[in-house]
Amino acid sequence: GEDVEQSLFLSVREGDSSVINCTYTDSSSTYLYWYKQEPGAGLQLLTYIFSNMDMKQDQRLTVLLNKKDKHLSLRIADTQTGDSAIYFCAVGNAGNNRKLIWGLGTSLAVNP
Amino acid sequence: DTEVTQTPKHLVMGMTNKKSLKCEQHMGHRAMYWYKQKAKKPPELMFVYSYEKLSINESVPSRFSPECPNSSLLNLHLHALQPEDSALYLCASSQGTGEVETQYFGPGTRLLVL
Repeated sequence: GEDVEQSLFLSVREGDSSVINCTYTDSSSTYLYWYKQEPGAGLQLLTYIFSNMDMKQDQRLTVLLNKKDKHLSLRIADTQTGDSAIYFCAVGNAGNNRKLIWGLGTSLAVNP
Repeated sequence: DTEVTQTPKHLVMGMTNKKSLKCEQHMGHRAMYWYKQKAKKPPELMFVYSYEKLSINESVPSRFSPECPNSSLLNLHLHALQPEDSALYLCASSQGTGEVETQYFGPGTRLLVL
């Protein structure tokens, strides 16, 4: 079945860029999302990209999509301690757009 | 405004209790969702309502009973739960009207079953 994979941990220094990667198996994936979850909180929609796009930039966030390799990345520029959280990649497709397939989440630790 | 609210924030209940979780959104969304999330895991879909009708039930045990009284409200009734049901319960909503169904989540209710 469909699968979404992420590396589980990433540690960066404050001020550096963070890159969180996600790979997916379903080539019909049309909508790709990044959610952020801080400890004890709900899921915050960070950004999303559609399969007809290669890149999307929103302030410190840059999303890159490589459809050929089924690879999605989230780059956070000038990472701050407030960016410490779990980042989930989730994908959906037009045929079943309410059931997202989720990655296991990448835990980002930002060290001062 | 992309706000989904959930009450209560925390809930402790015994295995014989009956309680309800509530979710509300005022974004005009017509699809609403319940998820269960265990610590440091991705959320697991439980139910989806579309235009106040149950459209997806992910084989959830009957001790969880959803209800959608109107397009803005979603409830989850809990009865005879087990300790393994302790988790964060998240509500989400999406437009429900088109191809793109970006989901917006509430802060969750943290449930502990004793």
